[in-house]
Amino acid sequence: QSALTQPASVSGSPGQSITISCTGTSSDIGDYNYVSWYQQHPGKAPKLMIYEVRNRPSGVSNRFSGSKSGNTASLTISGLQAEDEADYYCSSYTSSSTVLFGGGTKLTVL
Amino acid sequence: QVQLVESGGGLVKPGGSLRLSCAASGFTFSDYYMSWIRQAPGKGLEWVSYISSRSSTMYYADSVKGRFTISRDNAKNSLYLQMNSLRVEDTAVYYCARERLPAYSAYDWVAWGQGTLVTVSS
Repeated sequence: QSALTQPASVSGSPGQSITISCTGTSSDIGDYNYVSWYQQHPGKAPKLMIYEVRNRPSGVSNRFSGSKSGNTASLTISGLQAEDEADYYCSSYTSSSTVLFGGGTKLTVL
Repeated sequence: QVQLVESGGGLVKPGGSLRLSCAASGFTFSDYYMSWIRQAPGKGLEWVSYISSRSSTMYYADSVKGRFTISRDNAKNSLYLQMNSLRVEDTAVYYCARERLPAYSAYDWVAWGQGTLVTVSS
């Protein structure tokens, strides 16, 4: 099974909004709402930012939002802040009862 | 507070074996599905395996199926990963992770350990 497809990098200025896409297939993202997003700062463990496509865990800023259309999920970060600079990973449950991650997207805040 | 502490990583030769452990505290371990997720140096995350709360269900990534075995001891609040026939490409930081909800798997992880590094090299 191949990893989900994410852009290698995105960038934005403070205050702007950015969107990171995550493309899978009809056997994963397209068929299940078990899509989540993680933020990872260098040398740290990942942090859950979005679960089940669009839900935020307690404590996660409402500047983070998720959505899905067909086989593609998206993470949008509005009002970019310096501390948002990190790597972001999507994940999805699959029809094989496994989980796939995306290759990761490096977000740079200019 | 929820705490997950991995141990057992180290340097091993190709073809060798290693057993990772994860000590859990701060929550009712027996209520939660658990997973191992790894990250090769400078690379992305890769899900490795998960186990249900009562050990009735285990699944593995194709890359480790037949070589790795996940298990747990609810009495000891511990999760394990037995890794056999190790390959150079298994070199990674291995994270122990807890599901967000008890008694159910939504395949998302709200608690992670700090990771333990496994290096497979001759």
